[in-house]
Amino acid sequence: QVQLVQSGAEVKKPGASLTVSCKASGYSFTNSHIHWVRQAPGQGLEWMGRIDPSSGGTLYAQRLQGRVSMTTDTSTTTVYMELRSLRSEDMAVYYCARGLPGGFDPWGQGTLVTVSS
Amino acid sequence: QSVLTQPPSVSAAPGQKVTISCSGSSSNIGTNYVSWYQQFPGTAPRLLIYEDNKRPSGIPDRFSGAKSGTSATLGITGLQTGDEADYYCGAWDSSLNAGGFGGGTKLTVL
Repeated sequence: QVQLVQSGAEVKKPGASLTVSCKASGYSFTNSHIHWVRQAPGQGLEWMGRIDPSSGGTLYAQRLQGRVSMTTDTSTTTVYMELRSLRSEDMAVYYCARGLPGGFDPWGQGTLVTVSS
Repeated sequence: QSVLTQPPSVSAAPGQKVTISCSGSSSNIGTNYVSWYQQFPGTAPRLLIYEDNKRPSGIPDRFSGAKSGTSATLGITGLQTGDEADYYCGAWDSSLNAGGFGGGTKLTVL
């Protein structure tokens, strides 16, 4: 079945960088974009950006421009999301999701990121 | 500030029907597909509706989606206590060239 499996929880200090991985399986990896969405504690969903695994082309949310990077490794069908200069406001659960023409499905299980000094 | 607007909460009795609204603009709902997601506490969102009104396999036909102009609606019939969750609408925004979600609606089945 189509599945996205993310890396485990992270604890980071303010100013540090974060990398979360998302391994895809069960479908043709280069046929669908992978999107990243985060959810701060008790808050709603925030779209962060997406990557096209076939070309490596990216599109980022404007408010994260300059701090976020998304890359892909087609040999391992894995997508990576890096977020730099972490702040307390970046504390959230981070999700990857496969992009379909009209929605996101499936979603990874989520990666909890704690930012604390 | 969410791109799309949803009511914070809705409630209804078991067996009844409930609708959740999602309001946007010409650059998102008015132009692009709407999707809906169900999220239980501590779990990842699950796709309920895509392309405005289509259900993925495994989603019961108690869930339905509709769209008119710059607004969309999720309908749930035959409410069950297991439907208590947060529900989010989503749509691409062509002006922002970015994905967008509603703020989420908490469904309580009384």
